[in-house]
Amino acid sequence: QVQLQESGPGLVKPSETLSLTCTVSGGSVSSGTYYWNWIRQPPGKGLEWIGYISYSGSFNYNPSLKSRVTISVDTSKNQFSVELNSMTAADTAVYYCASRRNGCFDYWGQGTLVTVSS
Amino acid sequence: QSALTQPASVSGSPGQSISISCTGTSSDVGGYNYVSWYQQHPGKAPKLFIYDVTKRPSGVSNRFSGSKSGNTASLTISGLQAEDEADYYCSSYSSSSTNVIFGGGTKLTVL
Repeated sequence: QVQLQESGPGLVKPSETLSLTCTVSGGSVSSGTYYWNWIRQPPGKGLEWIGYISYSGSFNYNPSLKSRVTISVDTSKNQFSVELNSMTAADTAVYYCASRRNGCFDYWGQGTLVTVSS
Repeated sequence: QSALTQPASVSGSPGQSISISCTGTSSDVGGYNYVSWYQQHPGKAPKLFIYDVTKRPSGVSNRFSGSKSGNTASLTISGLQAEDEADYYCSSYSSSSTNVIFGGGTKLTVL
């Protein structure tokens, strides 16, 4: 069974860049079966898809975040990462990494809360 | 692109059945059989409960079922139990540039 674990800072200053990493175990980011996704959830609100990357490096981002987001994959470490620049208070959220196969998100990380504050 | 439309809340008594709707457009829910449903308890990550409109992952109770008619998908929970109290989110593939779209979420209360 695939397991995912997010890691990164819990606090980011306004205007800075957020960097989060998702470590995959029980599966390989090199698998052609999966797309590797980032999803976020502001406190008390719903889910927002950020984007995905495949093992081959193909990617797609939410248009609302496209100008600020980059998702990358490191097959040697079995990890994928997200960078979101120009952070504001509106980016405060729990950030999840998730695997996507056949149109659904079948495995999720536990989530990591990122707060934007000076 | 706007989120899929779900009722903000639904409620039911133990043993009853409830349904949660998820309304989109022909560019997402109505156009593809890639609707999925997720259960989320407070402080926890979402968990996949239904995928491809009607399919249940291994380990999910058969009290949970999914369906779709036109641009609206539905999640039905029969024989409500206290442990079903949670937030439920629908999601669909979208042919728009968004690619993936979520519903706003529905809070299920078991009375």
